[in-house]
Amino acid sequence: AQSVTQLGSHVSVSEGALVLLRCNYSSSVPPYLFWYVQYPNQGLQLLLKYTTGATLVKGINGFEAEFKKSETSFHLTKPSAHMSDAAEYFCAVMDTGRRALTFGSGTRLQVQP
Amino acid sequence: DAGITQSPRYKITETGRQVTLMCHQTWSHSYMFWYRQDLGHGLRLIYYSAAADITDKGEVPDGYVVSRSKTENFPLTLESATRSQTSVYFCASREGERRNNEQFFGPGTRLTVL
Repeated sequence: AQSVTQLGSHVSVSEGALVLLRCNYSSSVPPYLFWYVQYPNQGLQLLLKYTTGATLVKGINGFEAEFKKSETSFHLTKPSAHMSDAAEYFCAVMDTGRRALTFGSGTRLQVQP
Repeated sequence: DAGITQSPRYKITETGRQVTLMCHQTWSHSYMFWYRQDLGHGLRLIYYSAAADITDKGEVPDGYVVSRSKTENFPLTLESATRSQTSVYFCASREGERRNNEQFFGPGTRLTVL
């Protein structure tokens, strides 16, 4: 069975600072990994995904993530935080059988002015 | 409207009542899913469907029933609501078998069981 662990339920950064949200996964097969963002009272929006190929993946809104097989990690980064980045972020791994997603518990990002 | 919609967006009900949450998608995606979102748990899969008339349990199916008579609709029914089913429910859909196909989410239904 696959699982996802997100370290830090809350992360606070200053505007302009580096954003780093951590995600570790467990999977018995080569994983397909996703980051989603959820703004207040909204559904989930895909930020980026890793399937195969290049391990550094670029997404929307300046976010990127690097797949590191040796560390079983898929951390999300953004060089410079913006106030509009304040949201909840979910890391997820694809369930190969059901095509469903297994989510981490989420990280709420707060951006201080 | 194109996309995936859920209704109602907000629902308050009482313990023991039956409640149905609706989900409709316009893309004719084969796969549809129901998740619930609870603080500290992220999203957990309740039920999923690979095609019309094909449904199967996810991780937390107890107390829920689904059906899928048409490709575009995937209603979720709480047969006898309990307080532990107070949650935000998200419907999602994706196309086909390819693992890298994106899963699209509806706006959610916030359900409160008193």
